[in-house]
Amino acid sequence: QKEVEQNSGPLSVPEGAIASLNCTYSDRVSQSFFWYRQYSGKSPELIMSIYSNGDKEDGRFTAQLNKASQYVSLLIRDSQPSDSATYLCAVMGTYNTDKLIFGTGTRLQVFP
Amino acid sequence: ETGVTQTPRHLVMGMTNKKSLKCEQHLGHNAMYWYKQSAKKPLELMFVYSLEERVENNSVPSRFSPECPNSSHLFLHLHTLQPEDSALYLCASSQDSHGGRTGELFFGEGSRLTVL
Repeated sequence: QKEVEQNSGPLSVPEGAIASLNCTYSDRVSQSFFWYRQYSGKSPELIMSIYSNGDKEDGRFTAQLNKASQYVSLLIRDSQPSDSATYLCAVMGTYNTDKLIFGTGTRLQVFP
Repeated sequence: ETGVTQTPRHLVMGMTNKKSLKCEQHLGHNAMYWYKQSAKKPLELMFVYSLEERVENNSVPSRFSPECPNSSHLFLHLHTLQPEDSALYLCASSQDSHGGRTGELFFGEGSRLTVL
């Protein structure tokens, strides 16, 4: 079982729609969760972090965490073509280490 | 210069060559990392340096040799690589090891390596 799993996509959504990106993780004791965005040919950059169950909103982005079900999601409202990128889920605290474990990423395509 | 810079951006080498990748961070961070990014695979942590000491080596083959002469510079020396080592090599830095409490790593643009 992969430690952090994401659907590789591509996930295609029309401009203005809500894009929903999902991530599951294997270790129940994981403590911290992050979303990185990576544009094609560029480096990953941190866009959201979440530590407790529930929702965390930042502008058009909402991170959702459900530790009981071991999943974390990222919602992007009013998607724009400029949101087209690969979104990497990262988990910290897996198996009682402080490593950041990354998923393979989901490629999002927002079409006009 | 700001952030994390990597050179060269592209490198093609034969299996018998010796080359080095260079990373420099201008953020005053204490920790630096090498990651390998291959298609369809997760980012793979290779090495972690904290205050110039190697704190992690994730079972990386000896043909990859890191060097951290100071907290701002990190090198990855490459020797007798294999074609399957072709990948994007990303350098990152953070205030503390493993991104500290914030989990925030600052990545360079990467060095695209092709091994023939």
